[in-house]
Amino acid sequence: GQQVMQIPQYQHVQEGEDFTTYCNSSTTLSNIQWYKQRPGGHPVFLIQLVKSGEVKKQKRLTFQFGEAKKNSSLHITATQTTDVGTYFCAGPTQGGSEKLVFGKGTKLTVNP
Amino acid sequence: GAVVSQHPSWVICKSGTSVKIECRSLDFQATTMFWYRQFPKQSLMLMATSNEGSKATYEQGVEKDKFLINHASLTLSTLTVTSAHPEDSSFYICSARDGRPNQPQHFGDGTRLSIL
Repeated sequence: GQQVMQIPQYQHVQEGEDFTTYCNSSTTLSNIQWYKQRPGGHPVFLIQLVKSGEVKKQKRLTFQFGEAKKNSSLHITATQTTDVGTYFCAGPTQGGSEKLVFGKGTKLTVNP
Repeated sequence: GAVVSQHPSWVICKSGTSVKIECRSLDFQATTMFWYRQFPKQSLMLMATSNEGSKATYEQGVEKDKFLINHASLTLSTLTVTSAHPEDSSFYICSARDGRPNQPQHFGDGTRLSIL
């Protein structure tokens, strides 16, 4: 079945270091969405990428969607302690369904 | 905008109790809502898709008689965990999206269910 793989599973950085998480889908996606879940919280929508090769920025966060629309990345520049949490990518299931397939997430911890 | 409210935030109850969780879209109409289950340190597992005015669509392996879903209006879906047992203890999260194409899902705060 359709799978969305995300690496790394865990990442520990010193405050100020950069961080990147990668997402790969087994199928071509119409769009890819990124969510952040703080410890004890619920997923919060960050961004959606739709176009092949699209790059979007939100302050220190840079999101990319691959040319083949099968992979994506989230890069955080100069991490801060407020960046702590688990970052999930998700893509729609095949066939036009509204359902999302989530990656397993990358848990980011930041040492102050 | 796009606020989803989920209630209650946490529940502790005895084995055999049925528990109802509500999910409301506060500022938009949601013809479709989704119910997820999340175990500690794991990803979101879709349980079912809740469709307004029709029966929910359950994912493989999810017992429809165990997890009753009702989507009676465009802003409210409920999940009832019937005769809950300790193995049903988990974090349950709903999400909703409006009907326009390519819109993201917005999640409720989640419900932590602990069955003693």
